[in-house]
Amino acid sequence: ETGVTQSPTHLIKTRGQQVTLRCSSQSGHNTVSWYQQALGQGPQFIFQYYREEENGRGNFPPRFSGLQFPNYSSELNVNALELDDSALYLCASSLVPGLETQYFGPGTRLLVL
Amino acid sequence: QQQVKQSPQSLIVQKGGISIINCAYENTAFDYFPWYQQFPGKGPALLIAIRPDVSEKKEGRFTISFNKSAKQFSLHIMDSQPGDSATYFCAARTDTGNQFYFGTGTSLTVIP
Repeated sequence: ETGVTQSPTHLIKTRGQQVTLRCSSQSGHNTVSWYQQALGQGPQFIFQYYREEENGRGNFPPRFSGLQFPNYSSELNVNALELDDSALYLCASSLVPGLETQYFGPGTRLLVL
Repeated sequence: QQQVKQSPQSLIVQKGGISIINCAYENTAFDYFPWYQQFPGKGPALLIAIRPDVSEKKEGRFTISFNKSAKQFSLHIMDSQPGDSATYFCAARTDTGNQFYFGTGTSLTVIP
């Protein structure tokens, strides 16, 4: 096990709703990245947070937002949910930005109806 | 646009055989190329990785071959075992260090 935990494990929402996903990083890791993994696809980078500031963003609209807290836990918020947002959401923590090894959590499976 | 192209989509290999998965990229700014292994219900786990200044890296039964001029790299799994059955992803990291691009994955099944 990596020490990265995510909650909840599964979630069902309806279109237009808002959702908050949570991630607890591995101890001592101050960098967290969030990914969206659609069924049968590879993870796609959403954004990265380092010391509570956004440190890079992929090609995702502003309705995807995040927070990182002083204890380095983090949240992914998605507003105005769309059907295509249905996916596995993964967070990955690393000791510092740029360090090659990132440790993934087990993910949150989101279904939007 | 897929930044890292991976093939094949699925692979079936006999126990003891060699599994080969290929990836290609275009962005010359990539500076680190990892392979991840993912089991059902789990997040991806780093398997082995290589930098572009090295042509080959071997760790146990796993080998990465890297061809910088062709912008291609591949994972070889020697003596494949049923426990290797999983989905494998290649990835590439930008030289800013904060973004990884993943391939679409290869589902490997090793038949006993």
